[in-house]
Amino acid sequence: DTGVSQNPRHKITKRGQNVTFRCDPISEHNRLYWYRQTLGQGPEFLTYFQNEAQLEKSRLLSDRFSAERPKGSFSTLEIQRTEQGDSAMYLCASSLGGTSSNEKLFFGSGTQLSVL
Amino acid sequence: GESVGLHLPTLSVQEGDNSIINCAYSNSASDYFIWYKQESGKGPQFIIDIRSNMDKRQGQRVTVLLNKTVKHLSLQIAATQPGDSAVYFCADKAAGNKLTFGGGTRVLVKP
Repeated sequence: DTGVSQNPRHKITKRGQNVTFRCDPISEHNRLYWYRQTLGQGPEFLTYFQNEAQLEKSRLLSDRFSAERPKGSFSTLEIQRTEQGDSAMYLCASSLGGTSSNEKLFFGSGTQLSVL
Repeated sequence: GESVGLHLPTLSVQEGDNSIINCAYSNSASDYFIWYKQESGKGPQFIIDIRSNMDKRQGQRVTVLLNKTVKHLSLQIAATQPGDSAVYFCADKAAGNKLTFGGGTRVLVKP
């Protein structure tokens, strides 16, 4: 399977714990995005990388959230001191990027986080 | 702020009929639009895209129409099938900006 891969698919944690999610993008895609989606809503942008550089972060991304893409391939999203409001589907997407707007994003199946 | 929205949260359609899903966008600088389909427990799946220099684009059983004058986008699904039951999102993008999604329309196909 050469699509975007996310692990784990599901994560249940207790409030206050730290969690880390991993995303493996499509090979040769230089852009990697993290989105968050709550039930009944569209995905909301969190942050994105161009290769290993994190170029933009949403105001939704509080100080408890950190994302890395150390070698420009896979990425991790860590949430520290989780809160119940962090419960959501965390989606990763990748694209070939480019300077035009014609940028098709391919999404993974997401990691469903439940904070108890 | 700028947003992409949808007119109808749920659309029920008889199997075999055509479906039309509407979307309004507000960013006049948006020049690229995408429709995604999302099934339960899965990530959004690309359906079709269109650039602002076009007003219509066709795929397999799907057609996207863009009306820049009224900032309106629609997705037409021909001969809707049970496998088309899902939530559909439109999204828009301006150069240098990220893809922004609307709230989604659920399509229910009745047998």
